[in-house]
Amino acid sequence: ETGVTQTPRHLVMGMTNKKSLKCEQHLGHNAMYWYKQSAKKPLELMFVYNFKEQTENNSVPSRFSPECPNSSHLFLHLHTLQPEDSALYLCASSLRPGLAGGYNEQFFGPGTRLTVL
Amino acid sequence: AQSVTQLDSQVPVFEEAPVELRCNYSSSVSVYLFWYVQYPNQGLQLLLKYLSGSTLVESINGFEAEFNKSQTSFHLRKPSVHISDTAEYFCAVSGRGGSEKLVFGKGTKLTVNP
Repeated sequence: ETGVTQTPRHLVMGMTNKKSLKCEQHLGHNAMYWYKQSAKKPLELMFVYNFKEQTENNSVPSRFSPECPNSSHLFLHLHTLQPEDSALYLCASSLRPGLAGGYNEQFFGPGTRLTVL
Repeated sequence: AQSVTQLDSQVPVFEEAPVELRCNYSSSVSVYLFWYVQYPNQGLQLLLKYLSGSTLVESINGFEAEFNKSQTSFHLRKPSVHISDTAEYFCAVSGRGGSEKLVFGKGTKLTVNP
């Protein structure tokens, strides 16, 4: 595997289910990100991890719970979601901003298309 | 803080026609600028970036963008598009502080018709 991978690619869940999204990066990066992509809206940054430590939580509801066990893996645990949470969830990674010459080039995975019924 | 405006949500063009996708940004500090492309059912891929130096930057597949500081713009152009250029294009900006996050525009859906 190369780059950034995400599983599953598609997920349908009910509002009472618990599920997890997985992201893995094979680029030697140390920062990882979760984004939400909804139709006709800009990408919404949800969470940022630098060296496994959460450095940003962009006012995300607690029904989304991230986990970063190491610099290569990132999870997003989902529970009691709402239909408006249906979206494409994108994971990205980069070298820690400030270490790569000062700019933040992020590499994205293919995303998980989530549908909440 | 930064913001990005992509005025055109959809741009339809015919194959081999020129195209310009507009991007304007606002920022109180100096910035880095990026264009990402998203093909159907895929994640975002970096198309090109402006960091410093020449204000005209080019990608390997014929796209170019010009940083215009006075107009706070970073428009993306291609002189002759192909069907395979059909995708959504996102402009993004980050501050030069080094630890600042990327801020994306809403995207422009480019559709190239035969």
